[in-house]
Amino acid sequence: DAGITQSPRHKVTETGTPVTLRCHQTENHRYMYWYRQDPGHGLRLIHYSYGVKDTDKGEVSDGYSVSRSKTEDFLLTLESATSSQTSVYFCATWSGDGYTFGSGTRLTVV
Amino acid sequence: KNQVEQSPQSLIILEGKNCTLQCNYTVSPFSNLRWYKQDTGRGPVSLTIMTFSENTKSNGRYTATLDADTKQSSLHITASQLSDSASYICVVSGQGNDYKLSFGAGTTVTVRA
Repeated sequence: DAGITQSPRHKVTETGTPVTLRCHQTENHRYMYWYRQDPGHGLRLIHYSYGVKDTDKGEVSDGYSVSRSKTEDFLLTLESATSSQTSVYFCATWSGDGYTFGSGTRLTVV
Repeated sequence: KNQVEQSPQSLIILEGKNCTLQCNYTVSPFSNLRWYKQDTGRGPVSLTIMTFSENTKSNGRYTATLDADTKQSSLHITASQLSDSASYICVVSGQGNDYKLSFGAGTTVTVRA
């Protein structure tokens, strides 16, 4: 996972509270992604970015927003966390040769 | 509907034995297929990538095959080791969308001594 750092690694939050997850990369890759991983499902795309301030929705974007003010940082925000958003969240970058994933953030909404 | 289906969902093998994982996909038009290994608590790490014209790709004890006509791929693990215990994920991208992936749910492999 060299070059991609996700923070925090673990978080427990209460229903209805806002939560922001951070992804930081040092490789200067243009494309960045947020995925969620749940048992029995493949990784599902939440949002992705193709440049600073350029973002687009993925297949499971409801309840999530993102921002990318710098090439190296991609933030995922849950405006009002719900129990259905309990999951493991992965950030990834695409270099053209392949994908690199972060180590994940385990989020529990109680 | 998921465009990438993997089987089995999980399997247990003894150390030193071989195993084969399957991946069927419906992504079309097809660009490439990747196999990733995901250790517990970690992000996926790429094992192999194959394009339309490639039938086989090896990475050490891992050998992936691709039949683009039947839209099937397999990952063969030879002489399994305890460190092979992980989830193996098949990932497919379509032409013109190489930056957007379709993921299988993965096969969890447990290697026992």
